[in-house]
Amino acid sequence: ETGVTQTPRHLVMGMTNKKSLKCEQHLGHNAMYWYKQSAKKPLELMFVYSLEERVENNSVPSRFSPECPNSSHLFLHLHTLQPEDSALYLCASSQGGGMAEAFFGQGTRLTVV
Amino acid sequence: AQSVSQHNHHVILSEAASLELGCNYSYGGTVNLFWYVQYPGQHLQLLLKYFSGDPLVKGIKGFEAEFIKSKFSFNLRKPSVQWSDTAEYFCAVNERQAGTALIFGKGTTLSVSS
Repeated sequence: ETGVTQTPRHLVMGMTNKKSLKCEQHLGHNAMYWYKQSAKKPLELMFVYSLEERVENNSVPSRFSPECPNSSHLFLHLHTLQPEDSALYLCASSQGGGMAEAFFGQGTRLTVV
Repeated sequence: AQSVSQHNHHVILSEAASLELGCNYSYGGTVNLFWYVQYPGQHLQLLLKYFSGDPLVKGIKGFEAEFIKSKFSFNLRKPSVQWSDTAEYFCAVNERQAGTALIFGKGTTLSVSS
């Protein structure tokens, strides 16, 4: 248990579906992140939220839409995804940025069919 | 842009063998360096980190890493691996002044046979 909880753990969705991934952190951190983990590729940073404001968007397609309603919750809304979007989506949190250790959730394994 | 290179994709060792996993980063400024481990079916967790001071840092489970600034390297070592060290290992870096998010390498899969 890391203090970062992601739901669902597994998700299969069609290309025309709309779904959301949820992340909740119980650590009192003020920064949250979405990463994408694909086989044989580095973890790709997608979005960064600090104090509930988006501070980084790494050229992620608009079919991924993040939402951070408060410092404890982070969502990733998905719509009209492609099969190549199938991956493990990881949420992380930290207290501040540069000096801070990031704590990761167990991820959501997404399969787009 | 920052990048992190891990040269070994898959390392296979017998128990008690010594381990060294390479990590190089490209960034000219001051960075923080991390090694994370992901055991099968588990979340990413921190092994060790370097911010400043002694370039030889010790982490959990007998792991250590050495920061060599002139080589832009932060190699992970363990003198004697165990079967339970089978996992995927990720090197990561972020820019200290800007407080940026972690940038990761591709990871190295370590398989230890008993």
